[in-house]
Amino acid sequence: ETVLTQSPGTLSLSPGERATLSCRASQSFRSSYLAWYQQKPGQAPRLLIYGASSRATGIPDRFSGSGSGTDFTLTINRLESEDFAVYYCQQYGSSPLTFGGGTKVEMK
Amino acid sequence: EVQLVQSGAEVKKPGESLKISCEGSGYSFTSYWIAWVRQMPGKGLEWMGIIYPGDSDTRYSPSFQGQVTISADKSINTAYLQWSSLKASDTAMYYCAKCREVIPRNWFFDLWGRGTLVTVSS
Repeated sequence: ETVLTQSPGTLSLSPGERATLSCRASQSFRSSYLAWYQQKPGQAPRLLIYGASSRATGIPDRFSGSGSGTDFTLTINRLESEDFAVYYCQQYGSSPLTFGGGTKVEMK
Repeated sequence: EVQLVQSGAEVKKPGESLKISCEGSGYSFTSYWIAWVRQMPGKGLEWMGIIYPGDSDTRYSPSFQGQVTISADKSINTAYLQWSSLKASDTAMYYCAKCREVIPRNWFFDLWGRGTLVTVSS
């Protein structure tokens, strides 16, 4: 099983700042088959990024994904108030599918 | 409107059985894999398994194999998750989620239900 480790656990930032979230895999998997999701309290997750760097429909361009192999990054430029949430990475390049433990982006 | 509508919250006792549902609409239900994802209180997301409603091909996470059963009824565009004997540790929110792509094994999810909260307590 591919274990995904997300860091940091919590990121305290102010609106307008940049958030950099890391997702590291315990082993490499099928090429860049990594997705990112945003989850707000009381809501279902929402797809942000797939294929490591492709934005899902309707996702603002301040969200970007990068990385390959075992190291992936989600960057949120110019944080807006609605971006404070928990973010999960998910790999679909090997079975079973796995999610990272999440990074909470909170307002400083 | 493309949506997944899940059945309502359940409160059950240990040892009881349960079947929750997820109805898809606004898209070709039989063409896209549907997954079930568990979220225990205050915790992260866990993939339980996935089904292709077109032919009911089903795959399970090793962590959930034998613990739950995933099924689908394509005549009514509905997927199911069921337990034969619930435990207190099954208390969680359960989400169904639709794969974005029809390509097999490109299993990431662009549409999620609102979740079904299952509480198991004596």
